[in-house]
Amino acid sequence: DIQMTQSPSSLSASVGDRVTITCRASQSINNYLNWYQQKPGKAPNLLISVASTLQSGVPSRFSGSGSGTDFTLTISSLQPEDFATYYCQQGYNSPWTFGQGTTVEIK
Amino acid sequence: EVQLVQSGAEVKKPGESLKISCKGSGSSFTKYWIGWVRQMPGKGLEWMGNIYPGDSDTRYSPSFQGQVTMSVDKSISTAYLQWNTLKASDSATYYCVRKMVSSSSSAWYFDLWGRGTLVTVSS
Repeated sequence: DIQMTQSPSSLSASVGDRVTITCRASQSINNYLNWYQQKPGKAPNLLISVASTLQSGVPSRFSGSGSGTDFTLTISSLQPEDFATYYCQQGYNSPWTFGQGTTVEIK
Repeated sequence: EVQLVQSGAEVKKPGESLKISCKGSGSSFTKYWIGWVRQMPGKGLEWMGNIYPGDSDTRYSPSFQGQVTMSVDKSISTAYLQWNTLKASDSATYYCVRKMVSSSSSAWYFDLWGRGTLVTVSS
């Protein structure tokens, strides 16, 4: 199985901050990396597919980059509604695996 | 708008059986893989497996093979997740998801999620 490791596990930030979350795969996954946002008590929501393709309706302050084993999710200017947990997921090989999540909290 | 509508929360005792459902809206239900994702309380996301409603082809994660059964009734656009003998460790929220493949590559992702079914197993 491909292991996905996110860092940090949690972070505290203020509104307006630039936030970066990293995801590392245990082997190369090309750019087959997806990002999800989950708010408390809600289902996850797909933000970015194939490393950098923003889903319809997702604000442009979200961006993704990377290929191979190292990937990044960036929020350029954190907004109040962005406080949530973010998960990466590899779409390269079954079983499809997720990172452990990064919780973005209010400073 | 395409939606996945899941059945309601369940409270069961250890040893009991359970079948939860996920109903898809729209005419394209048979054209996409439907998967299940587990989230234990306060924990992350785990893919359990998926089923293709068109022909009931089913793929399980090795971690869940033999522990659950996935099925589908395409006549009513509904997928199911079933346990024969529940354990306390099965307590979790279970999401059904639509699995899609990128048009520009072979990358798979989950683009549509149900609201989740909370399963509580307690004596």
